Amino acid sequence: GAVVSQHPSRVICKSGTSVKIECRSLDFQATTMFWYRQFPKQSLMLMATSNEGSKATYEQGVEKDKFLINHASLTLSTLTVTSAHPEDSSFYICSADRYGESSGANVLTFGAGSRLTVL
Amino acid sequence: QKEVEQNSGPLSVPEGAIASLNCTYSDRGSQSFFWYRQYSGKSPELIMFIYSNGDKEDGRFTAQLNKASQYVSLLIRDSQPSDSATYLCAVNNDYKLSFGAGTTVTVRA
Repeated sequence: GAVVSQHPSRVICKSGTSVKIECRSLDFQATTMFWYRQFPKQSLMLMATSNEGSKATYEQGVEKDKFLINHASLTLSTLTVTSAHPEDSSFYICSADRYGESSGANVLTFGAGSRLTVL
Repeated sequence: QKEVEQNSGPLSVPEGAIASLNCTYSDRGSQSFFWYRQYSGKSPELIMFIYSNGDKEDGRFTAQLNKASQYVSLLIRDSQPSDSATYLCAVNNDYKLSFGAGTTVTVRA
């Protein structure tokens, strides 16, 4: 089945530094990927839609200059948290939409997630 | 009003019983509906999806959709301790998924 690889799974950084998270589709091409953020005991909140070869589309309230998204190829999207602060500590999850022949539908497949802790 | 609403739980059921999870959504134009399971500290994994009114069964799971009432549910039959997790309802709006806050299910052995 479709596999989405996300790296790193955990990262701890100092306040003010930048952190890059990679999301790769391993066995399919993903023209669109989605980045979510999840705080403890809360649901997933869509941050942005990453489009291959074009600018990402950010959800309301998400700072595009702080959360840089690059989707340079059909299998790789990256999220860079710039000048991270403790309030950015969260679980970041990427996902990709893939048409499944067995299901006959587009289904969102998630990466394993990246837990960011900013000290 | 939240787009997707679920009872947060926790829902505790004995092993072998049926767990019933409910979800309501606000956008009447929503076309597809998904149930994901999320274990603590892990990312969500798809259980099943449903597009049409009525029931859809997949193994021990049954999804039920009522578009007129803007309601979707998930039944877990013969609940097992391994089913203990948070279950997220998701609704597709304009090609983006909106998630509910999730219902935490605990299956007692």
